[in-house]
Amino acid sequence: LAKTTQPISMDSYEGQEVNITCSHNNIATNDYITWYQQFPSQGPRFIIQGYKTKVTNEVASLFIPADRKSSTLSLPRVSLSDTAVYYCLVGDANYGGSQGNLIFGKGTKLSVKP
Amino acid sequence: GAVVSQHPSWVICKSGTSVKIECRSLDFQATTMFWYRQFPKQSLMLMATSNEGSKATYEQGVEKDKFLINHASLTLSTLTVTSAHPEDSSFYICSAREVSREGKPQHFGDGTRLSIL
Repeated sequence: LAKTTQPISMDSYEGQEVNITCSHNNIATNDYITWYQQFPSQGPRFIIQGYKTKVTNEVASLFIPADRKSSTLSLPRVSLSDTAVYYCLVGDANYGGSQGNLIFGKGTKLSVKP
Repeated sequence: GAVVSQHPSWVICKSGTSVKIECRSLDFQATTMFWYRQFPKQSLMLMATSNEGSKATYEQGVEKDKFLINHASLTLSTLTVTSAHPEDSSFYICSAREVSREGKPQHFGDGTRLSIL
C-alpha cells in the first residue's frame, strides 16, 4: 500500500503560482497519482490525475519524474477561493478499498491571502 | 463531468434511530462505490467498499452490523447507520468509479452531516 507524504500546510498570496509536492516512495507499477481538493463540509473534488511525465488541464498541472516516487501539483495564479485542503492519493485505478486505492493521507492545507 | 449525488446532506436525529444515506451516480454506472467517514479537522477514513450485487468489504475496525451497506444497482449504494449513538456523529462521504474504465478517477458526493443527539 503506497503511502503519501505531503506538507501539512502552505501559505500563498493571490496571483502566485503554488506547487505542492507529494512523496510516494513505494508507488507500484499499476498505481496512478490523483489529486483532490476539499472545502469544509464538502466532498473532495477531482483536480487532476496522471501516471508519468506531465499532465495539464484547465485548472492545474501535474509533474511526475521518471522514477514516479514523487509528484508536484502546480496551481497557476491562485485566488482566495483556492484556499482548501489538497490531497495526493496513489492507487491502482482498477481496484478499491483494501486493495490499495484512495487511502487518504493528511493532505495539505493551502491558505491563500490577499 | 461525472456527478455523484448524496442524500440527505444533513440529518439530525435522536440516539437509537437508524439513518439511511443514499449515494447515486447520476451520469455513469458504478460497479464499485466507497464509503468514507470524516471527523472534524481530520482526513477521510475509508469505511467500506460497496460492490454491486455482492457483499460489501469493510475496513478493519468498522462494524458491519452497525454500518449496513447495500449496492442494489449500478447507480445506487446505501449506507444505513443502525441504532445510531452520539459517537456516530460525523461527516459521511461516498464516492464512485465508472465501470471498467482503467485510469478513471473516483468522484465524490458532497457528503452527509450526521448529528446524533
